[in-house]
Amino acid sequence: NAGVTQTPKFQVLKTGQSMTLQCAQDMNHEYMSWYRQDPGMGLRLIHYSVGAGITDQGEVPNGYNVSRSTTEDFPLRLLSAAPSQTSVYFCASSYHGLATYEQYFGPGTRLTVT
Amino acid sequence: AQSVSQHNHHVILSEAASLELGCNYSYGGTVNLFWYVQYPGQHLQLLLKYFSGDPLVKGIKGFEAEFIKSKFSFNLRKPSVQWSDTAEYFCAVNAIKAAGNKLTFGGGTRVLVKP
Repeated sequence: NAGVTQTPKFQVLKTGQSMTLQCAQDMNHEYMSWYRQDPGMGLRLIHYSVGAGITDQGEVPNGYNVSRSTTEDFPLRLLSAAPSQTSVYFCASSYHGLATYEQYFGPGTRLTVT
Repeated sequence: AQSVSQHNHHVILSEAASLELGCNYSYGGTVNLFWYVQYPGQHLQLLLKYFSGDPLVKGIKGFEAEFIKSKFSFNLRKPSVQWSDTAEYFCAVNAIKAAGNKLTFGGGTRVLVKP
């Protein structure tokens, strides 16, 4: 049982490049979410999903796209990276399609945009 | 929009000292409250949670938190810290009716326990 996995662990992008951060979970969790962590600002919700085929915006969705074609995977796409997107990104999942339940976090992806 | 405030950004204390971290939230309706912890080099993990009932909740590793509805607060406490409690602590709130199916985190408090 690997839990929540994220790849890559580190990434450096140039402004305007695109990339996809991968997130997968093997716990059959319905709820999955993406957060970014910036110093002094805690974790801010980017997008979330309550099940395959269903996604919704969080607090800071601009510049990011998501899709949920399977229960296991929830990739985060940066279409045109900007320096403001330099951050640590965490994926999380929980039971029953609700944020109310305990969130299980991945190890994070540290992204730098130059 | 709901917000969560953690007033202490950094706390430094010695082993065996008592710890209290403040957390206040802005929404007045029904809330579910959480404290998460991130030890150096590790994933965020749940420390404790409050849904209903006894406002004093106990979590792992000797931590407890008290929900005071009138003060919109959910402060975290530990009577005697250890060096291994060095970590960043995050308060989080799920305001079910106001914010729907989302979790809002505070800015975090970095705690350094000196041996």
